[in-house]
Amino acid sequence: GENVEQHPSTLSVQEGDSAVIKCTYSDSASNYFPWYKQELGKGPQLIIDIRSNVGEKKDQRIAVTLNKTAKHFSLHITETQPEDSAVYFCAASPGSARQLTFGSGTQLTVLP
Amino acid sequence: KAGVTQTPRYLIKTRGQQVTLSCSPISGHRSVSWYQQTPGQGLQFLFEYFSETQRNKGNFPGRFSGRQFSNSRSEMNVSTLELGDSALYLCASIGEQYTGELFFGEGSRLTVL
Repeated sequence: GENVEQHPSTLSVQEGDSAVIKCTYSDSASNYFPWYKQELGKGPQLIIDIRSNVGEKKDQRIAVTLNKTAKHFSLHITETQPEDSAVYFCAASPGSARQLTFGSGTQLTVLP
Repeated sequence: KAGVTQTPRYLIKTRGQQVTLSCSPISGHRSVSWYQQTPGQGLQFLFEYFSETQRNKGNFPGRFSGRQFSNSRSEMNVSTLELGDSALYLCASIGEQYTGELFFGEGSRLTVL
């Protein structure tokens, strides 16, 4: 089955700096890669996703890049703000978001 | 529009007991997925239901089961509880206009003593 590895497990940045979280996956059949943000006491919330026919996608301060050849994808957050502090999960699926394999999560802390 | 509602939010059980968790998806959503979240294993897929039928099942023992009712509400049951079953159980629903997004509830936190 699919295996998703996520790094780093913790990340601290100064407010205004950029943050990058990286994930690798094992199943070449995977073609859907979402990123979820989980705040304390809440369920995960989708922040951005990318499909295998796209190499990069941006949404304001958030961007995701995908390298299918190397089987890795990354989340980039620019101009970080304290409210970006949360746990971020990457995930992969061979076509359906109904059965996602998640990475282990990254605790992002944005220091004021 | 109300979000995904999970009940109970917190519960404590002892080893050997069983537990039933409930999930009400967003109105109009017919697909419900369940995930187990633990510090050690992260988020792991349990099962997915659509129109009262289980479509997918994760790699969990048979003690974990679920069902979905005609109103799309779903329940999951864990029998013969073990200490390792302590976790946050998350339910997510998916809309008809499938965009890929899972809408998660806030979860049911189970503690097994």
